[in-house]
Amino acid sequence: AQSVTQLGSHVSVSEGALVLLRCNYSSSVPPYLFWYVQYPNQGLQLLLKYTSAATLVKGINGFEAEFKKSETSFHLTKPSAHMSDAAEYFCAVTGGYQKVTFGTGTKLQVIP
Amino acid sequence: NAGVTQTPKFRILKIGQSMTLQCAQDMNHNYMYWYRQDPGMGLKLIYYSVGAGITDKGEVPNGYNVSRSTTEDFPLRLELAAPSQTSVYFCASTSGTSGPYEQYFGPGTRLTVT
Repeated sequence: AQSVTQLGSHVSVSEGALVLLRCNYSSSVPPYLFWYVQYPNQGLQLLLKYTSAATLVKGINGFEAEFKKSETSFHLTKPSAHMSDAAEYFCAVTGGYQKVTFGTGTKLQVIP
Repeated sequence: NAGVTQTPKFRILKIGQSMTLQCAQDMNHNYMYWYRQDPGMGLKLIYYSVGAGITDKGEVPNGYNVSRSTTEDFPLRLELAAPSQTSVYFCASTSGTSGPYEQYFGPGTRLTVT
């Protein structure tokens, strides 16, 4: 069984401020973890993924996430928010490749 | 590569009507999925397929049917549409031959049932 909890359905940050989106997971097997981004009226696209090769994962557009097994967390961060980062972000977990469980999403608002 | 394509982009159905949402991928992916997305609910898996001729139910299969006759195509059939099926539907695919397998998503179909 696997599940994902994203804390905060809406997050607002000022342009240039740190972005922190929280994700905690539960998995009965070693997990693979993903962050996806969805821009308005579009499908989801992969931001980054954890494959067990390295605990700090770098993705596109300056985002990164750190896998912390002891905290069962995979939080997404970006040092400096840009207006173009405004979107909805989904954390996802899978124990294999057949089924992926998605979180409920966090909408990021960037205030100029 | 076109990736994952979905048609139509928008559709309005009357209660009780039926329709088929089309999905195709040109990446030779084995695994294909159908999700629905409702506000604040994330994505819920409707059906998935691990290859041509093989399909299985996800979390919310009631009111839907699928088939997979080719590797490329994975249509989703709605029979007797109901207002509860108003949603945005996404098709996705993944390789399935080496992991971990990120999913590639289509642009979605926005369906309204009235």
